[in-house]
Amino acid sequence: SYDLTQPPSLSVSPGQTASITCSGDKLGDKYASWYQQRPGQSPVLVIYQDRERPSGIPERFSGSNSGNTATLTISGTQAMDEADYYCQAWDSRLVVFGGGTKLTVL
Amino acid sequence: VQLQESGPGLVKPSETLTLTCSVSGGSISNHWWSWIRQSPGKGLECIGSIYYSGNTNYNPSLKSRVTMSVDTSKTQFSLKLSSVTTADTALYYCARAIVAVGSSYFDSWGQGTQVTVSS
Repeated sequence: SYDLTQPPSLSVSPGQTASITCSGDKLGDKYASWYQQRPGQSPVLVIYQDRERPSGIPERFSGSNSGNTATLTISGTQAMDEADYYCQAWDSRLVVFGGGTKLTVL
Repeated sequence: VQLQESGPGLVKPSETLTLTCSVSGGSISNHWWSWIRQSPGKGLECIGSIYYSGNTNYNPSLKSRVTMSVDTSKTQFSLKLSSVTTADTALYYCARAIVAVGSSYFDSWGQGTQVTVSS
């Protein structure tokens, strides 16, 4: 089976840049998506097809994917960005999620 | 598009879990629809997806116990998970899947419904 690995946690100061990584074998050959999940809420798509932002997602969210690593970057991180973030890819018609990264803004 | 899950919150071990997702504010046609669950021990897990025409794609790890169906006249799709155990206790989400060449992602999610397996 295909696995995606994320760091369990990441801390960032307000206004700084947060970079959340997602690692998988030849992940750069697949498309990666990212979801934000605030406490008690459903996941929200913030990046799809590596770097595309859905309507309504702030420009401070961006994505990249190369080699074995996809990265979600949040520029000028705000307190409201504190949440769990999950990467997701599609391998052999199977959906795979990473284990999630808890982003703390302090 | 809005999605709303419904179904019993408590299921006994060995019984069948049945959930329904109602779709509103958009067409059920020409889309894939998915069930995803979240448990503290396993994170997010995609159970499977169903196309509006009835084609399905199930997670191999659950395939022997999963049945999905769609009712376009009611704009609903459903999940049946048989022979449940406590390991199936989770928050269950329905979601709309966007499937393109080499890509699949979920752009709309329901609020989720908690299912507990217990006698």
